[in-house]
Amino acid sequence: NAGVTQTPKFQVLKTGQSMTLQCAQDMNHNSMYWYRQDPGMGLRLIYYSASEGTTDKGEVPNGYNVSRLNKREFSLRLESAAPSQTSVYFCASRDRDRVNTEAFFGQGTRLTVV
Amino acid sequence: RKEVEQDPGPFNVPEGATVAFNCTYSNSASQSFFWYRQDCRKEPKLLMSVYSSGNEDGRFTAQLNRASQYISLLIRDSKLSDSATYLCVVNGGHSSASKIIFGSGTRLSIRP
Repeated sequence: NAGVTQTPKFQVLKTGQSMTLQCAQDMNHNSMYWYRQDPGMGLRLIYYSASEGTTDKGEVPNGYNVSRLNKREFSLRLESAAPSQTSVYFCASRDRDRVNTEAFFGQGTRLTVV
Repeated sequence: RKEVEQDPGPFNVPEGATVAFNCTYSNSASQSFFWYRQDCRKEPKLLMSVYSSGNEDGRFTAQLNRASQYISLLIRDSKLSDSATYLCVVNGGHSSASKIIFGSGTRLSIRP
């Protein structure tokens, strides 16, 4: 079972470049999430999508855009990368319709902006 | 105020000890509560959900106190393999039930 798949796993960008992080899940989950994690810190929510066709801002949305392309895919775009966006990015998905359901995570994308 | 707050630790305890973590949350409408475990440079994985009446899974016990808006995790007879970061997770409440917020994590190190 693939679960949640993120691509790429590693990326180095120059300041000002743009890129899109891809995430796909095969568990038929309604909700999907993008988080960033900086060294020694917990995960901070960037954006989430409660269902196909909807997206909402999380705790740290500035500098990012998202697209919920379909039920399976949720992409995160950096239009003009900045060194402050150097981080590990995790995508997650969850079955929204039941309380206390587990969120499943991808393996992360390690992004460095120089 | 952060929505979910945890003591960052680190907690450094001997093998076999009992250790407890607390976590406070700010949204009184939150309905879902979890403890996740994260090993170094890996993705978080669910340790256990936290139910209103409290719940136990082997050496792990989780409690929820809605009145004081905190959840706790107790680890008994700690093992070397319990060394990790423990993340408190809470959902966003009625209007944003799908929103899932993480605490900053509590680092635990078990020494032989």
